[in-house]
Amino acid sequence: EAQVTQNPRYLITVTGKKLTVTCSQNMNHEYMSWYRQDPGLGLRQIYYSMNVEVTDKGDVPEGYKVSRKEKRNFPLILESPSPNQTSLYFCASSLSWDYNSPLHFGNGTRLTVT
Amino acid sequence: RKEVEQDPGPFNVPEGATVAFNCTYSNSASQSFFWYRQDCRKEPKLLMSVYSSGNEDGRFTAQLNRASQYISLLIRDSKLSDSATYLCVVNHEAGNQFYFGTGTSLTVIP
Repeated sequence: EAQVTQNPRYLITVTGKKLTVTCSQNMNHEYMSWYRQDPGLGLRQIYYSMNVEVTDKGDVPEGYKVSRKEKRNFPLILESPSPNQTSLYFCASSLSWDYNSPLHFGNGTRLTVT
Repeated sequence: RKEVEQDPGPFNVPEGATVAFNCTYSNSASQSFFWYRQDCRKEPKLLMSVYSSGNEDGRFTAQLNRASQYISLLIRDSKLSDSATYLCVVNHEAGNQFYFGTGTSLTVIP
C-alpha cells in the first residue's frame, strides 16, 4: 500500500530532551516536507526537501532539524524541545517538486512538551 | 498579509444542500491549487486539484479565478459524511513551499 508513515503517533516528553520523529514514504517521491498544525494558525511548513541531500527552511524552522540521507526517509529532530513546540506534526511527500503534484500526508504525530 | 485566506465558518447546512467555499491567495504567480479535506485530528487528504478551466468530480466542483486570485469549491447534494474541515492549498513556485489556508469547517445536519 502506498503510504507515508510517521512514528510515533503520540509523544509526551520534557523540556530539553532530544527527540526524533521518523517519516518514511514508499512511493519513490522526490519531495518531502514537515508541517505543524496549531489551532487558528493552520498548517505551517517547517522544512522541506526537494531530493536527497537537499533541504530548505520553511516558515517556522527554528528549533528543528531535518536530514535527507535517503530518498524514502525524512526525520524531524528536536534537539532541545520546548513547550511552544507542543503541536500536531505532519510529514508529507509529493511525487516531484514540479507543479500540480499534490501532497500525501502521514497520519500525524501529536507531541506534548512539558 | 497571509498567503492564503479562507472563511473559517462554521458552515452548518442541511443534508441535500449546496454549499460553496472560497479561498483567496495573495501571490499572483501561484501555479498549483488544491482542495484538501481534514477530519478532526486526522491527516489532510486530497479532495481534488484545481485546474485553470475548472474541474468536477461527482458532487464536487472546483474553480479557479486568476484575475481575482481565488479558488472555490462547490459541494452539491451535501451528505452527512461531507462534514469536515476543507483546506485550500497553493504552491506558487515549483520546488518551493506549499501554503495552506486555515480551513473552513462544514457540518451537514440531518
